[in-house]
Amino acid sequence: GNSVTQMEGPVTLSEEAFLTINCTYTATGYPSLFWYVQYPGEGLQLLLKATKADDKGSNKGFEATYRKETTSFHLEKGSVQVSDSAVYFCALTLGGGSYIPTFGRGTSLIVHP
Amino acid sequence: DAGVIQSPRHEVTEMGQEVTLRCKPISGHDYLFWYRQTMMRGLELLIYFNNNVPIDDSGMPEDRFSAKMPNASFSTLKIQPSEPRDSAVYFCASSSGQGITNQPQHFGDGTRLSIL
Repeated sequence: GNSVTQMEGPVTLSEEAFLTINCTYTATGYPSLFWYVQYPGEGLQLLLKATKADDKGSNKGFEATYRKETTSFHLEKGSVQVSDSAVYFCALTLGGGSYIPTFGRGTSLIVHP
Repeated sequence: DAGVIQSPRHEVTEMGQEVTLRCKPISGHDYLFWYRQTMMRGLELLIYFNNNVPIDDSGMPEDRFSAKMPNASFSTLKIQPSEPRDSAVYFCASSSGQGITNQPQHFGDGTRLSIL
């Protein structure tokens, strides 16, 4: 079946540090890939997406590149802020009849001033 | 445009009581999803609808759980009778069916359910 694996958290960083959150996937076919962010007390919201190999999604300083050869979609940001503290979810969707999105377990990010 | 609206935001009730969670999806979206989030299990898909028809309910934990979508703008998730292990945050999400695999899901802010 399809699956998404994210690095265990929490990830703890100082403000202005470089962020990487690893995400790898297993899928039968060619998925679309997503990163969602969840702030405390809120639902998940789309951060960025990529729909085919070598696409780069970007938003609010975050980036992720769809790497088919390594089945990865790692999230990066050059300089994190305290306001980036949240839980980040990697996800994939596939077509072909039964549309069921697959989410990773989420990675908590804590940014200290 | 209004987002996905869930009610209530918080619910505290005693074991054995019936609980009804409500969701209004984004207008024009033809997919609706119910999720449950806990620390232990993470985010679990319970059921999803396409054009008001349940497509996959394999994630519904047991017969105590039921979901309906009587029209395109309203869905309910019901637990009867409720148990303490049902305590979780329940999310509703909707998405557009056009190019469905490329469409993100839009989540509500969830209902935090506590069963005493």
